[in-house]
Amino acid sequence: GAVVSQHPSWVICKSGTSVKIECRSLDFQATTMFWYRQFPKQSLMLMATSNEGSKATYEQGVEKDKFLINHASLTLSTLTVTSAHPEDSSFYICSAGRLGSGYEQYFGPGTRLTVT
Amino acid sequence: GESVGLHLPTLSVQEGDNSIINCAYSNSASDYFIWYKQESGKGPQFIIDIRSNMDKRQGQRVTVLLNKTVKHLSLQIAATQPGDSAVYFCAENMPGQNFVFGPGTRLSVLP
Repeated sequence: GAVVSQHPSWVICKSGTSVKIECRSLDFQATTMFWYRQFPKQSLMLMATSNEGSKATYEQGVEKDKFLINHASLTLSTLTVTSAHPEDSSFYICSAGRLGSGYEQYFGPGTRLTVT
Repeated sequence: GESVGLHLPTLSVQEGDNSIINCAYSNSASDYFIWYKQESGKGPQFIIDIRSNMDKRQGQRVTVLLNKTVKHLSLQIAATQPGDSAVYFCAENMPGQNFVFGPGTRLSVLP
């Protein structure tokens, strides 16, 4: 149990376009979902935390108008990178906290975004 | 060449030997810690966790040690196998806060 999926797994887009990444908890309800960004050979950096039905909480330095997060249900959160630029190219990883499981987060497989 | 700060510490061990991966955490108020394994191109995978009221916790082939005095966490892997090759991250958590991940250590298992 506790499987998290992401779609797409890899996306290449042109500079100036927008890209939507989906994060789904497949077999459990996620009260909270987290979005991370990971550059090559670096650690995971938390971008934002989202709770179902409420606005996301963004970490300092993350532009909320550029990285739109929607957490419409207990099993789906989306991250939209608007007007993507080459410097947005990164590995985006979501994780989900299961209702009643306390601290533990279950990570998705990640989405590699390449902006040309 | 690579820039300073972008090079992951690397630990190379012979297959069958024990591995010890270290992590210095930042906040003395952190009370929960997790070790994650991340293989190339994949998301992190939970390995083992420990709460601050414990010094040691054992799993299957893995042991986590916590030294709160010096804010140090270690992951020991017994009889390291080729499938253990990955990047390992420690993560710390304070009550009411989000997890903070360490910089990671790349484990390479030599045949």
